[in-house]
Amino acid sequence: GAVVSQHPSRVICKSGTSVKIECRSLDFQATTMFWYRQFPKQSLMLMATSNEGSKATYEQGVEKDKFLINHASLTLSTLTVTSAHPEDSSFYICSASDSLNNEQFFGPGTRLTVL
Amino acid sequence: GQNIDQPTEMTATEGAIVQINCTYQTSGFNGLFWYQQHAGEAPTFLSYNVLDGLEEKGRFSSFLSRSKGYSYLLLKELQMKDSASYLCAVPPYGGSQGNLIFGKGTKLSVKP
Repeated sequence: GAVVSQHPSRVICKSGTSVKIECRSLDFQATTMFWYRQFPKQSLMLMATSNEGSKATYEQGVEKDKFLINHASLTLSTLTVTSAHPEDSSFYICSASDSLNNEQFFGPGTRLTVL
Repeated sequence: GQNIDQPTEMTATEGAIVQINCTYQTSGFNGLFWYQQHAGEAPTFLSYNVLDGLEEKGRFSSFLSRSKGYSYLLLKELQMKDSASYLCAVPPYGGSQGNLIFGKGTKLSVKP
C-alpha cells in the first residue's frame, strides 16, 4: 500500500512557541491531505483539509490562524501550531488518498506535548 | 448531521470470534470504513463497504446494511495482537471519501 510519513514523531515544546509538523506521501501524489487530532481515549477529529496549491478548508471550531496549513507540493503538507499552549497537546495525524482506490493512508502520527 | 455509535469496550478470549457493531446516521452515504488503531499509533485500514452484504478478508469480515444504517466487523480466531481500538468511519454528507467522520472507537481486549 501507499506510504505516508510524518515528522517529527514526537515533539516537546514550551508554551508560546510554534511547532511545524510535516506530512509526506512517499510513493504517490496526493492532491488532498487531511489533518486529524486525537486526544487521549477519544476518536480522531478532522481539523482541516489541505489542498495542493490552494487554501486549506478548516472544520468548525478550528482556528485557521492558530493551525497554519501549507500544501506546497503534491507530496508535502505542513501543519504549524502557532503559539502553542498545553491544551494543544495531542496526537496529530495526517492522511492522504490516492486517486486509484477508496483507501485512506494515515501517517504514523506526531505526539505533541506543550509544557 | 452525522452520528456514529459503537460500543466503548469489549473483551474476548484468544481463539474466539467477536463482532463489533456500528450504527451510523449520515446525510448521504458513500461507504463505510473500519480501521484498527493500536495505542499510540495511527489507524490502519481494515475494510471498506459500499454495498450491502458481507465482505471477507482473511480473519476479518465486514458487513453492511444501508437500509438499517448498520455495520459490523467480525474478527475470527482472535489473537493477542488483535487487542486494539476498532474505528468505524464514514465520509460526511455522502461526499468525498477523503475526509472521514470517525466513531469513538471500540477498545477490544483479547485475553488468554
